[in-house]
Parts: sequence; C-alpha cells; structure tokens
Amino acid sequence: DAGITQSPRHKVTETGTPVTLRCHQTENHRYMYWYRQDPGHGLRLIHYSYGVKDTDKGEVSDGYSVSRSKTEDFLLTLESATSSQTSVYFCAITPGGQSGQYFGPGTRLTVT
Amino acid sequence: AQSVTQPDIHITVSEGASLELRCNYSYGATPYLFWYVQSPGQGLQLLLKYFSGDTLVQGIKGFEAEFKRSQSSFNLRKPSVHWSDAAEYFCAVGGSNAGNMLTFGGGTRLMVKP
Repeated sequence: DAGITQSPRHKVTETGTPVTLRCHQTENHRYMYWYRQDPGHGLRLIHYSYGVKDTDKGEVSDGYSVSRSKTEDFLLTLESATSSQTSVYFCAITPGGQSGQYFGPGTRLTVT
Repeated sequence: AQSVTQPDIHITVSEGASLELRCNYSYGATPYLFWYVQSPGQGLQLLLKYFSGDTLVQGIKGFEAEFKRSQSSFNLRKPSVHWSDAAEYFCAVGGSNAGNMLTFGGGTRLMVKP
C-alpha cells in the first residue's frame, strides 16, 4: 500500500463545467503524476510534479491544469470539461531511485 | 522517443496452462522495464521490474520476466495460470531520468478458462 488516495472515486458532470480531482499521499514523496486510462491506450501522462509548486506537462496535457501547494496533495483540474475527457484518472507516486511508480485506486469521470 | 508495444490485445488460456505475454520496447538508452497488473475496477499493481543485472527477474504472484536486449523485449511468463490471474497486464519502460517517467503499452487482457 503506497498510501495514495484519490477523491472523488466516481463523478458525473456536464460538458462545460469545471472539475477538480484530488490525489493525496501520506509519505511525502517528491514526485507525483496524473495519468488517464482509455481502452487501447494504456496509461498516458497528463502532468507531473517534482515538488511543491513545481509541475510540468506530460503527453496529453491540453485541457488540464494541475496544482501542488502541499507535498501531500496534487490536484488535477479540468477547466471546462468535454466529453473527450471521459476517462479513468490515476494518480501515482514514486519513492525515487529504482522503485518504479505506485498507483492510487483511480477516479472514474464521466462527462455528459 | 520511447515506446512500448504489447502485440496481443486479448489472450485466453486454460487454468493450469503456461502463459507468456509479449512486450517490445523502444528506448534510446539502458531501459528500466516494468510489468503491472490491473484487476477490474482497481488500480495498477507492480508485478516486477528490471533495472540491471540478471536478465531473468522474479516478481510477485509467481510471475517472471526475461529481458532480451537483442530483441528489445521483456516478456512476462507464468508456468501455471490460476483463475485469479485474469486481469489486464501493462508493460512500461522508463529510464534513469530524475522524474522516473514511464511510457506504457496498450495492455493485454488475460482471460482464464476453467
């Protein structure tokens, strides 16, 4: 158990509304990541963070923003949700070194 | 650019049979390689990882994988599959970059026949 929680676990929202997903970790790891998972695409990196207020874009960052004001929390915001952002979103952390990444339980987001 | 290909989208095996899931990668330097498993409705669990040394690595749940540099492959194997192994499996590649960035394959869904 990597001590990662995500909230909410499920959300249905309408096109055009803002949505914020939260990732919380309990072990003060420096690096945190947001992925989306879609059938046939595996996981694709949206944004990542390498410290408080330090973030960078991943492969599919358009339409998403992130913030990290505390080590333990990494927020993903969809400023104006679209149907193409219907997906399962996973947060991950890495303890660093040669550890690989460890994933939260995911958030299923449906944009109608 | 790095990439991962998992050629088999679906695989069905009988319980007790052996299993091999294929993974081919493209990476410009020495790769770090990973296999993850995802049960329905769950997050991803790390099965095993390769960084260096012995090219045959052992993981959890009786899985192993073999790194073959000449073939750019990192195939996952299990000698005898159990019904509880039915899940989706993802191969990923990364490197020694500070951010531990990973690139994932599209996944292979394993079904187990009784």
